Amino acid sequence: QQKVQQSPESLTVSEGAMASLNCTFSDGTSNNFRWYRQHSAKGLEVLVSIFSDGEKEEGRFTAHLNRANLHVSLHIREPQPSDSAVYLCAVSTSNTNKVVFGTGTRLQVLP
Amino acid sequence: EAAVTQSPRNKVTVTGGNVTLSCRQTNSHNYMYWYRQDTGHGLRLIHYSYGAGNLQIGDVPDGYKATRTTQEDFFLLLELASPSQTSLYFCASSEGGRNTGQLYFGEGSKLTVL
Repeated sequence: QQKVQQSPESLTVSEGAMASLNCTFSDGTSNNFRWYRQHSAKGLEVLVSIFSDGEKEEGRFTAHLNRANLHVSLHIREPQPSDSAVYLCAVSTSNTNKVVFGTGTRLQVLP
Repeated sequence: EAAVTQSPRNKVTVTGGNVTLSCRQTNSHNYMYWYRQDTGHGLRLIHYSYGAGNLQIGDVPDGYKATRTTQEDFFLLLELASPSQTSLYFCASSEGGRNTGQLYFGEGSKLTVL
């Protein structure tokens, strides 16, 4: 059974400082990774998707994937108070279509 | 126009009660999912389906049944609700394949079991 863990559980940064979030997974056959953001128990929005080792940038959001280390990270450049939310990584394999989410990181950005 | 619609949005029941949560998607997606969200656990997968009549077991299926009656409709059934099932439930749909993981979520159904 796929295990997806995120760290830290919560993170506080100042506006403009880089925010870095981590996600580890257990199934080495996983090939489909996304970072979601959720404001206050509302709906989730996709921030960035990544399918191969390396990095993928979408605006201020950059994902790094290292499948050998079972690790995917999210870096938020110049975070703003409006980025305060819960961030969730989602890991899946395209042959099973089972999508497993991590435990979440609560980010607070101070003005 | 919402593409994934859940009902009811809020539900209160008592222990042992019978609850059905409904989800309808208009994305023409093959895959539909039910998750529960609790503090400290992120989103946990209960059941999912890749088409009418199909059901796949998720990671936390105990106490839940699900049924996919059509391409559009996916139901989650709690036949003997317990307080541990108090949670926020999300339904989602996905095209699958390379777009697996690109989920479109409903607005959530808050269930309280007294």
